[in-house]
Amino acid sequence: DAKTTQPTSMDCAEGRAANLPCNHSTISGNEYVYWYRQIHSQGPQYIIHGLKNNETNEMASLIITEDRKSSTLILPHATLRDTAVYYCIASAGGTSYGKLTFGQGTILTVHP
Amino acid sequence: GAVVSQHPSRVICKSGTSVKIECRSLDFQATTMFWYRQFPKQSLMLMATSNEGSKATYEQGVEKDKFLINHASLTLSTLTVTSAHPEDSSFYICGSGVRETQYFGPGTRLLVL
Repeated sequence: DAKTTQPTSMDCAEGRAANLPCNHSTISGNEYVYWYRQIHSQGPQYIIHGLKNNETNEMASLIITEDRKSSTLILPHATLRDTAVYYCIASAGGTSYGKLTFGQGTILTVHP
Repeated sequence: GAVVSQHPSRVICKSGTSVKIECRSLDFQATTMFWYRQFPKQSLMLMATSNEGSKATYEQGVEKDKFLINHASLTLSTLTVTSAHPEDSSFYICGSGVRETQYFGPGTRLLVL
């Protein structure tokens, strides 16, 4: 997996958009960008992933730069329940071949 | 998304005993499952890759004789911590994939006294 760099922590006001950046300057052409989050004492929850194009689902949007060296996860209307550690992972994926390497992630705190 | 379950969610055992943790894929078949460990205030670390019908592959530094993995069916993998010691106390998480995405179980908190 390519190395990713994320800020250690971020704050966000409830109801505002949370924009979490991630750098992955050595990402390979076949590696996806995955985002997971982990709420205290729970297993990681899948959020979204993408290869080249921007992606959106019911949880979040993923913006990947054209050179694929960085990306941003956007939670459009953060709630208190979005307080968690957010992990950005670059991996070739696959059910049998995708061993995910977790970094330290970004601790997102959403406050009232 | 796909659903992965784990049992038990919490277990407390005495030092020297063995503990079995189950990981199940509820709505898909999992030929491969991954076992991770997470110590307090640290990130997840991959311990081993479990392959249905064959031997597991362990990461460097993980004792295969201590952490026994069995993946006898397409929906069940088990991790047995043998002769557990207090330093094995941790949060154990399994994951498995559908297409290019890996999904995780809720985790098992092991406390060895």
